[in-house]
Order: sequence, then C-alpha cells, then structure tokens
Amino acid sequence: DGGITQSPKYLFRKEGQNVTLSCEQNLNHDAMYWYRQDPGQGLRLIYYSQIVNDFQKGDIAEGYSVSREKKESFPLTVTSAQKNPTAFYLCASGRGAGNEKLFFGSGTQLSVL
Amino acid sequence: GNSVTQMEGPVTLSEEAFLTINCTYTATGYPSLFWYVQYPGEGLQLLLKATKADDKGSNKGFEATYRKETTSFHLEKGSVQVSDSAVYFCALTPIGNTGKLIFGQGTTLQVKP
Repeated sequence: DGGITQSPKYLFRKEGQNVTLSCEQNLNHDAMYWYRQDPGQGLRLIYYSQIVNDFQKGDIAEGYSVSREKKESFPLTVTSAQKNPTAFYLCASGRGAGNEKLFFGSGTQLSVL
Repeated sequence: GNSVTQMEGPVTLSEEAFLTINCTYTATGYPSLFWYVQYPGEGLQLLLKATKADDKGSNKGFEATYRKETTSFHLEKGSVQVSDSAVYFCALTPIGNTGKLIFGQGTTLQVKP
C-alpha cells in the first residue's frame, strides 16, 4: 500500500537533547512538509522541501533542522534550542502543485521529560 | 498576509442534526480552499476542496461552496452521525504557491447519539 509513515508514535526528550522524527513516503511525491500542531492553534509549517537536496524554512523553523537526502525521506530534528518542543508533529507529502491535496502521516507526539 | 479563521469549538450536536462550521479567509487573488478532517490520534485526511470561485466541493455528505464575495468556505452537512466526531480544519494554498497549506485553528465536532 502507498502511504506516508511517521515514527515513532510517541517520543520523549530530555533537557538539552536532540531528537529526530522519521518520515518516509512511497508515493513518489516530490514535496514533503513538517507541521507542528498545538491545541487550539491549528497547524503551523516548520520546514518544507520541494525537491531532493533542497528545503526551505516555514513559519516556525527556529530550533528545528531537516535534511532531504532521498526523495522518500524527510527527517526532522528537534534541537535543544527549541525551548517548547511538546507538540504533535505531522509530516505530509504532495506533488507540489498548489491545488493538490496533501497526504499526512499519523503523527508523532513529542513530550519533554 | 494569508490567513484562515474558523468558528471556535467545540461544536456539540445530536445525531441527525444539521452542521455548519464557518470558515473565512484572507488571501490575494483566488486561492485553493480545502477542508481536512482529523480523527482522534491520527493525521489529517482531505475531506473536500474547491479551486475557483463558486465551486462546490462535496464528499461523504459534506459540502462547502467557494464564496469569493464573502471570502468564505463554510462546511455543511445535512445529518451528522456519531462517526463524524472529529476535528475539522479549513485551509488554503495561496496563488502561485507550491502546495504549502495555511490552516485555520480547527473546530472540534462532537456528535452525541
């Protein structure tokens, strides 16, 4: 089955620690996105990538980093510089056209110990 | 700038009641408009979309009409079911954008039997 897979489902971070969230897609999509979801605030764009080896900052990129070495993979690292990392993180992919739908993973809940 | 505003929730209805969730937007030109649905513990799924003024998107009994004159894209359903309980997000992609979505804050719908 084609789809987009995020792992792990739950992740805990200690103070000063970097953690990496995985996102893999087998839909042959060029574009991939990371969103952060906080209660009552909707989804905010962290980073996006429209092609391999290229990515751009979204609205709330500070404290996060990404890489896009393969078309299928777009991992997100939450660094120690992100002071309020507790949130639900959603990865999405799409063909990159403005009127096309995005496919979302099932999310990763990150919490701080 | 571009933004989406949804009515605040939670919205609580009895089964078979009529549903309206209001959504208004601010954007330049004619953005594409979307409604996404998020079931508990899951990612988002596209519910319906409209790409130009006066278009009506529909799916699973839900409808929304792209109203340029009122910059609105209200979601409606004639008879809700318990299984419709979820969080609903209105979103847009601006003109010339390559797939990035701008989301409203989400509206929680609870349907009681």
